[in-house]
Amino acid sequence: DTEVTQTPKHLVMGMTNKKSLKCEQHMGHRAMYWYKQKAKKPPELMFVYSYEKLSINESVPSRFSPECPNSSLLNLHLHALQPEDSALYLCASSLKPGTNQTPLHFGNGTRLTVT
Amino acid sequence: GENVEQHPSTLSVQEGDSAVIKCTYSDSASNYFPWYKQELGKRPQLIIDIRSNVGEKKDQRIAVTLNKTAKHFSLHITETQPEDSAVYFCAALGNNRLAFGKGNQVVVIP
Repeated sequence: DTEVTQTPKHLVMGMTNKKSLKCEQHMGHRAMYWYKQKAKKPPELMFVYSYEKLSINESVPSRFSPECPNSSLLNLHLHALQPEDSALYLCASSLKPGTNQTPLHFGNGTRLTVT
Repeated sequence: GENVEQHPSTLSVQEGDSAVIKCTYSDSASNYFPWYKQELGKRPQLIIDIRSNVGEKKDQRIAVTLNKTAKHFSLHITETQPEDSAVYFCAALGNNRLAFGKGNQVVVIP
């Protein structure tokens, strides 16, 4: 069982499609993250939301658009992706952000394939 | 930013033997060092972590040691079992971000 829930588990989309990835946690965590993971590579940070505000954007292309509607939800809107964007997208949360960062809890991820 | 190096990249051990994975970090201000285990097709899962005010931490068969002077930390797995086979990532918290090592594939041979 995972305490961070991601949907969908798998997603195949064309380069002209618009889709969204969703993430939910009910642990009262105030920091939420999007990571991208390629095969045999470590997770790569994309965005951090602290107290529902975007605090870190690791120079991610604008075809990825994050959204944090409330403290429990995190979305990643996708538009005009490229085949090289195919990867496992992991959502994570932690009780506190920043230098007081507590352990990251990862969701099971969304396996994205861009055709 | 923080840079984490992880060695070796692959490690094969006989079941019952010990495995050790070492990581080095660059930012002396880093203060939190977690280890994640990722099985094939699954999410990274935290297995143990250590903060900079502690030198060693143990949880059953798993232990982590931290040498702040040398800026390195290590994961020790004793009495390895086949279910320990996975990729292990070390990480260090610096500049409000977790920097991950490249990962270590551990294979436990029955």
